[in-house]
Amino acid sequence: DAGVIQSPRHEVTEMGQEVTLRCKPISGHDYLFWYRQTMMRGLELLIYFNNNVPIDDSGMPEDRFSAKMPNASFSTLKIQPSEPRDSAVYFCASSLHRGPAIETQYFGPGTRLLVL
Amino acid sequence: AQTVTQSQPEMSVQEAETVTLSCTYDTSESDYYLFWYKQPPSRQMILVIRQEAYKQQNATENRFSVNFQKAAKSFSLKISDSQLGDAAMYFCAYRSAENTPLVFGKGTRLSVIA
Repeated sequence: DAGVIQSPRHEVTEMGQEVTLRCKPISGHDYLFWYRQTMMRGLELLIYFNNNVPIDDSGMPEDRFSAKMPNASFSTLKIQPSEPRDSAVYFCASSLHRGPAIETQYFGPGTRLLVL
Repeated sequence: AQTVTQSQPEMSVQEAETVTLSCTYDTSESDYYLFWYKQPPSRQMILVIRQEAYKQQNATENRFSVNFQKAAKSFSLKISDSQLGDAAMYFCAYRSAENTPLVFGKGTRLSVIA
């Protein structure tokens, strides 16, 4: 399996621009997570989906952030308009629910975002 | 809310020696899962080892093992025969059996000295 795929790997943009991050989960996985990593706050959950349905978006910083999962193999995280404080590494992770079995989250390589 | 604490921001170990990274957590739940992830300079998050809370036996993966003390809410990672490739940030993470997002500690940066 190719693992979780994220694009782009690096993004540099100017304040006010729209940024779209993309994620392809591992085939067959039914949970998808978006995390953000910063020096100040560490790794924190933004939102997660189960079977393409958003379950918890309480970690989304504000209305400038939105996430969608139109199908089981694709998700986007959009920031509009972007601000310098959004600079971070954004990770996508996926996992498979198997009842009582452990459900390990597998992470993509991350997208390093820099907003100037 | 659950919290995960890694009290050692940085650790160092001589190559071929053994090092233990500490992790404590706070939860009122009885069923949960614990993980150690490694993050090398490439930023990739790599699963090192995992432990189910209902299992008394400590998990082991090759040179990596854990000391899981449920009553003390402690989950330390032991790396034996340390190698240069072990140098990375190590994150301890908690996941509830009922809620799937991971709660991470702040991480421990491990340096391996040749």
